[in-house]
Amino acid sequence: DVKVTQSSRYLVKRTGEKVFLECVQDMDHENMFWYRQDPGLGLRLIYFSYDVKMKEKGDIPEGYSVSREKKERFSLILESASTNQTSMYLCASSFPERRTYEQYFGPGTRLTVT
Amino acid sequence: DQQVKQNSPSLSVQEGRISILNCDYTNSMFDYFLWYKKYPAEGPTFLISISSIKDKNEDGRFTVFLNKSAKHLSLHIVPSQPGDSAVYFCAASATADKLIFGTGTRLQVFP
Repeated sequence: DVKVTQSSRYLVKRTGEKVFLECVQDMDHENMFWYRQDPGLGLRLIYFSYDVKMKEKGDIPEGYSVSREKKERFSLILESASTNQTSMYLCASSFPERRTYEQYFGPGTRLTVT
Repeated sequence: DQQVKQNSPSLSVQEGRISILNCDYTNSMFDYFLWYKKYPAEGPTFLISISSIKDKNEDGRFTVFLNKSAKHLSLHIVPSQPGDSAVYFCAASATADKLIFGTGTRLQVFP
């Protein structure tokens, strides 16, 4: 079974703090993704990565950065957290060569910025 | 620009009856469609998918129908069970690398 893990289930941070969200997958997937989920807005793509050290902006990259130093690990960084970044953050991975398009998701991190 | 739309934010169905969740899309380049199910405090899990070369795909109680001319797909759950209560997202893709998700429909199945 594919396993995608995220470092924290719940996180509370203060405005202005630097926040790191970590994601690890164990299936040697090339692609990794960071989404945020907000009520009424669905899942919106923040950043994705095709390979180590490769990254592409998604639909809402402002206020975020990412790092992929190893194939299995994809980190989302909030340089200076703001209250409008309070959300559920979801990491996913996929294996494009299979062409099934399916992405496997982690359990999510509920981030609250106060 | 919402390329994938789920116009019903919620749906309530009695146990044993059929649940029909709908999804519309605007991009004719989409060639693969997926449905995900999400419980609170968990990540989405893949449910069923369909390629644009088909108009129906069935997996147990779940069937997805695709109407390309109308740019519409639907998920049928028969019979509905209380454990099906969750948020359902449809997603579409024109490449193997990115999925575009809808806003979700919350399904509640009551006894």
